[in-house]
Amino acid sequence: AQSVTQLGSHVSVSEGALVLLRCNYSSSVPPYLFWYVQYPNQGLQLLLKYTTGATLVKGINGFEAEFKKSETSFHLTKPSAHMSDAAEYFCAVSRYGGATNKLIFGTGTLLAVQP
Amino acid sequence: EADIYQTPRYLVIGTGKKITLECSQTMGHDKMYWYQQDPGMELHLIHYSYGVNSTEKGDLSSESTVSRIRTEHFPLTLESARPSHTSQYLCASSEYGAGYQTGELFFGEGSRLTVL
Repeated sequence: AQSVTQLGSHVSVSEGALVLLRCNYSSSVPPYLFWYVQYPNQGLQLLLKYTTGATLVKGINGFEAEFKKSETSFHLTKPSAHMSDAAEYFCAVSRYGGATNKLIFGTGTLLAVQP
Repeated sequence: EADIYQTPRYLVIGTGKKITLECSQTMGHDKMYWYQQDPGMELHLIHYSYGVNSTEKGDLSSESTVSRIRTEHFPLTLESARPSHTSQYLCASSEYGAGYQTGELFFGEGSRLTVL
């Protein structure tokens, strides 16, 4: 069975500081990994995804994530936090089942950015 | 910007009422999904559909039902709402993907249901 674990339900950083949100996955097959962001009172929006190829994936708004098979990790980083980055972030892994490809989500990490 | 819409955004109703949460997408996607989201919990898939007249239950057992009569429309119905149904319901869609590829999920803004 596939799953993801997000370490830290709440992360607080200062504006301009490094953002690091942790995600570890469990998968018996090569995983496809995703990060989604949810701003208050909105739906989820795709930040970036890893399927195959380059292990360092760049996404929108300056975020990137690196797939590390040896560590079963897919941590999300951003060099310099902005106030507008305050949101909830979800890591997800794909699971192939029948005719649909379903995503399994983590519990989310709420990012606060302090001025 | 994703073209997937959910109504109502917020709904407060009394126990025993029948409710329908609407979800429509204009992208022509075959696959549609309903997720349930509660604070501090992972999103749970409760229903999905891979095309017209095809629906399946997801990982989390739910008393709700869904239908898929048209490609663009995927409503969720609760025949008799209870306080335990209080939650946020997120609708999503994706293009059909071959093999192990998973297409991007496009989410609506959610319907927040409160049952008193």
